[in-house]
Amino acid sequence: QKEVEQDPGPLSVPEGAIVSLNCTYSNSAFQYFMWYRQYSRKGPELLMYTYSSGNKEDGRFTAQVDKSSKYISLFIRDSQPSDSATYLCGAHGSGNTGKLIFGQGTTLQVKP
Amino acid sequence: DVKVTQSSRYLVKRTGEKVFLECVQDMDHENMFWYRQDPGLGLRLIYFSYDVKMKEKGDIPEGYSVSREKKERFSLILESASTNQTSMYLCASSLGRSNQPQHFGDGTRLSIL
Repeated sequence: QKEVEQDPGPLSVPEGAIVSLNCTYSNSAFQYFMWYRQYSRKGPELLMYTYSSGNKEDGRFTAQVDKSSKYISLFIRDSQPSDSATYLCGAHGSGNTGKLIFGQGTTLQVKP
Repeated sequence: DVKVTQSSRYLVKRTGEKVFLECVQDMDHENMFWYRQDPGLGLRLIYFSYDVKMKEKGDIPEGYSVSREKKERFSLILESASTNQTSMYLCASSLGRSNQPQHFGDGTRLSIL
């Protein structure tokens, strides 16, 4: 079993829809959780970074962590065609190296 | 903004060649990482370094080595390139404290013929 599991999709939604992207993880030591967005032929770009359980909102994006069920979510409100990309979830525990464990990535397409 | 620069966007090399991939970051980050990204396999960690001249093996170090002579520069070396090393290579960096995220470069798409 991978430490971080993510459905690769692809996920296709109409413009304006609410998008829900999800990951599960198995390591209880994980405390830091993040979402990256990766456009085609580009490197991953940090979207959201959260510590422990709870919600964090940034514009149209909300990251949610439920440590009791080991579940990580990213919600995108009013999705736009420019949101079409691959979304990677990641997690790591404490420790100086900050070594990340990534999910496989979910490919999202938002159709105009 | 953090800037992680990879020296080449696209590279084509031949089997058996020694290949160098260079990465430079401009934010004085202690930690640097090399990943490869393949369809269906996601990001896989090759090597990382948390200080100058320090290196640690990641999940798939075989066939690779690294060099970190200066804090801002982290090089990935393919000792004798093989076709199964054709991939997208991504470099990342982060501050040394545990609660800091990684920042990525735009990648080098390497083809081994």
